[in-house]
Amino acid sequence: DAGVIQSPRHEVTEMGQEVTLRCKPISGHDYLFWYRQTMMRGLELLIYFNNNVPIDDSGMPEDRFSAKMPNASFSTLKIQPSEPRDSAVYFCASSLYGQPQHFGDGTRLSIL
Amino acid sequence: SQQGEEDPQALSIQEGENATMNCSYKTSINNLQWYRQNSGRGLVHLILIRSNEREKHSGRLRVTLDTSKKSSSLLITASRAADTASYFCATTDSWGKLQFGAGTQVVVTP
Repeated sequence: DAGVIQSPRHEVTEMGQEVTLRCKPISGHDYLFWYRQTMMRGLELLIYFNNNVPIDDSGMPEDRFSAKMPNASFSTLKIQPSEPRDSAVYFCASSLYGQPQHFGDGTRLSIL
Repeated sequence: SQQGEEDPQALSIQEGENATMNCSYKTSINNLQWYRQNSGRGLVHLILIRSNEREKHSGRLRVTLDTSKKSSSLLITASRAADTASYFCATTDSWGKLQFGAGTQVVVTP
């Protein structure tokens, strides 16, 4: 049974470039979450979707960040333009309502 | 801002010993969850305790919840080297949103 799948696992890019992170949730899960983890701020919820609809994006740091969920099996988190302070590990998680979240192994993003 | 705050930040013990970590939170909750994160991996759910429960067990894990003090504890009994990881508490609000604490880093030496 495949868990949450994120790609790429690692991304190194230069400041100003567009970055796209991808997530495939567990089949049948109707909630999808994007988190960012840094040493300074810990684990922060950026945005979450229910049935492909964004419910709360109050954690998205600024307009450079955007997230989409075109269908139940795919979501993207995009940063454009990227900045060095965006360097972090980005996690995607999925769940059923009221149930524990299942996390992917994350994308380690480094912006030079 | 983080809802849960774990204590201690780091814990170093030997195999066979028990490990206890605590979590305090600020607002009312629907439930509280504990997750484990191994280095370089995503978080893995360990146990969920509902706001009307006081104690829960799962294998070598024991969780307590005191809603009057807004605190929870996670006890790992008879620790093993494989228990080396970071442990996070997370509270769930009525909308189902999780807020994570800063975590406790546990190192178990053989």
